[in-house]
Amino acid sequence: SQKIEQNSEALNIQEGKTATLTCNYTNYSPAYLQWYRQDPGRGPVFLLLIRENEKEKRKERLKVTFDTTLKQSLFHITASQPADSATYLCAFDSNYQLIWGAGTKLIIKP
Amino acid sequence: NAGVTQTPKFQVLKTGQSMTLQCAQDMNHNSMYWYRQDPGMGLRLIYYSASEGTTDKGEVPNGYNVSRLNKREFSLRLESAAPSQTSVYFCASSDRERTSTDTQYFGPGTRLTVL
Repeated sequence: SQKIEQNSEALNIQEGKTATLTCNYTNYSPAYLQWYRQDPGRGPVFLLLIRENEKEKRKERLKVTFDTTLKQSLFHITASQPADSATYLCAFDSNYQLIWGAGTKLIIKP
Repeated sequence: NAGVTQTPKFQVLKTGQSMTLQCAQDMNHNSMYWYRQDPGMGLRLIYYSASEGTTDKGEVPNGYNVSRLNKREFSLRLESAAPSQTSVYFCASSDRERTSTDTQYFGPGTRLTVL
């Protein structure tokens, strides 16, 4: 069955450094993959979408890559700030539904 | 422009009680979704509605029913609540038909505890 995996352990990063989160998927070739941010007690908020024919997508300090050979997407936050602390979710489309990873909690320490 | 709204924010039920979770969106989206989110697990789709008047089962539909009342509103009903339905419930909407992608917009969630 289709599966999407994110590192379940929290990622601790020093402020100012680049944070890199990983999303791996199996048994599927999605047309696109999305990244969302979720703060405690709130719903997920869309950040970026990358299509299968795109290698990289950027939005301000955010960058997403999509490697269809490795079946992996990387999500980078450059010049990280404590306000970037949150849980980040990845999701891919499958038969008109989204399949979601469990999310990785990112903690940016001042 | 409120986006996606959900009521109630919190609810405690006893086993066997029923309740309806309400969701509304003001973005004129055709597609709406109900998810549950449990610790350590990804969002799991309960039901979705691709357009007004249609609903389809998702990954975990057992114990739930839905109604797409009109284009704006999509409700989720628990007929006889069970402790296994203790979870956080999110409603979402998307403009999949127009954009050809399923970027979803979420409500604030309902925290449900079944005793």
